[in-house]
Amino acid sequence: EAGVTQFPSHSVIEKGQTVTLRCDPISGHDNLYWYRRVMGKEIKFLLHFVKESKQDESGMPNNRFLAERTGGTYSTLKVQPAELEDSGVYFCASSQDRTYGYTFGSGTRLTVV
Amino acid sequence: AQSVAQPEDQVNVAEGNPLTVKCTYSVSGNPYLFWYVQYPNRGLQFLLKYITGDNLVKGSYGFEAEFNKSQTSFHLKKPSALVSDSALYFCAVRDTGGGNKLTFGTGTQLKVEL
Repeated sequence: EAGVTQFPSHSVIEKGQTVTLRCDPISGHDNLYWYRRVMGKEIKFLLHFVKESKQDESGMPNNRFLAERTGGTYSTLKVQPAELEDSGVYFCASSQDRTYGYTFGSGTRLTVV
Repeated sequence: AQSVAQPEDQVNVAEGNPLTVKCTYSVSGNPYLFWYVQYPNRGLQFLLKYITGDNLVKGSYGFEAEFNKSQTSFHLKKPSALVSDSALYFCAVRDTGGGNKLTFGTGTQLKVEL
């Protein structure tokens, strides 16, 4: 089966611009998660979708971040406007149910300059 | 709230020697613990998990981890390190609040040298 796919793999944008990250989960996986790692720090939870519904968005840093999951398939994470502190690696993961582990994508490295 | 500590930013070991990557955790209730590895330019890959049962958990690529409840630790080990084990290792604990989110440590860079 295909894994979790994220694109772009890298993105460099200027402060104030908008960037949209995309995640395609494993087919049939209802649960989709977004995480972020800021350089040198821990990987932090952003939010969790169950199908198209936001189950938990407690980790979203502020209202410049907007996540969607249209039709319960792929998900997008938009940052608008981007700030320097948004730089980091954004990981997406999916799972079939609320099991004890899930499959991560290779991440999108976002650099805001 | 749960937390994970990985006290070493980097661990250096010679190939063929045993390796240990340390992890301690804080969580209310029974911990569900995980180790993930990130190779350069790759995503996070699952290595192993502890849910219940045997304190010694075996995982992928010859890795194992020992759960120690009294010391609230879950150290990752391998009897004989390979250069190809060089990567970034993350320890994580699952949220006990009924959700499935993970709390990660800051990661430990493992460098295995010839």
